[in-house]
Amino acid sequence: DGGITQSPKYLFRKEGQNVTLSCEQNLNHDAMYWYRQDPGQGLRLIYYSQIVNDFQKGDIAEGYSVSREKKESFPLTVTSAQKNPTAFYLCASSHRYEQYFGPGTRLTVT
Amino acid sequence: GQQLNQSPQSMFIQEGEDVSMNCTSSSIFNTWLWYKQDPGEGPVLLIALYKAGELTSNGRLTAQFGITRKDSFLNISASIPSDVGIYFCAGQFTDKLIFGTGTRLQVFP
Repeated sequence: DGGITQSPKYLFRKEGQNVTLSCEQNLNHDAMYWYRQDPGQGLRLIYYSQIVNDFQKGDIAEGYSVSREKKESFPLTVTSAQKNPTAFYLCASSHRYEQYFGPGTRLTVT
Repeated sequence: GQQLNQSPQSMFIQEGEDVSMNCTSSSIFNTWLWYKQDPGEGPVLLIALYKAGELTSNGRLTAQFGITRKDSFLNISASIPSDVGIYFCAGQFTDKLIFGTGTRLQVFP
């Protein structure tokens, strides 16, 4: 089955710890994206990558980092510098401009 | 960052009714997309529009790319309980999508 997987579905961390969210796709898409969604809000772009070994900051990149070493994988690290990390994180990949989303990871930091 | 104006913010309708929602922007977009998100899940692509004036259907859903390229509309006919969710529009801006703020749809039997 082709698709995008994100793991884990729920993640709990203590304040001050870095945490890495996984995103894998087997759709053979070149572009991948990370979004953050807060309760009752729309999607805000954190980082995106159009090609392996290259990525660009989105609208809210501060406190986050990414890597793109393989076409299939685009992990997101939420660092301790992110002031409000508790949120729902969505990964997407795209063919043309049609973005396809994973199931999301809900991160709670206490 | 940019966001699209989506309206209405929420809708409460009875099963069987038709639904209309729209998205407007001050910028021109070359592509409009419509997504549906169920609680706790990722958005699912419903319809993609690539040409001004284009009208596209997907089952009971019909979407239109506004002729000015600054707006788009989504209609759902004969709503059913599983239509419940949040509907997002998205417009293509350079190499990114800009998302609307969402329309929350509730359907009562």
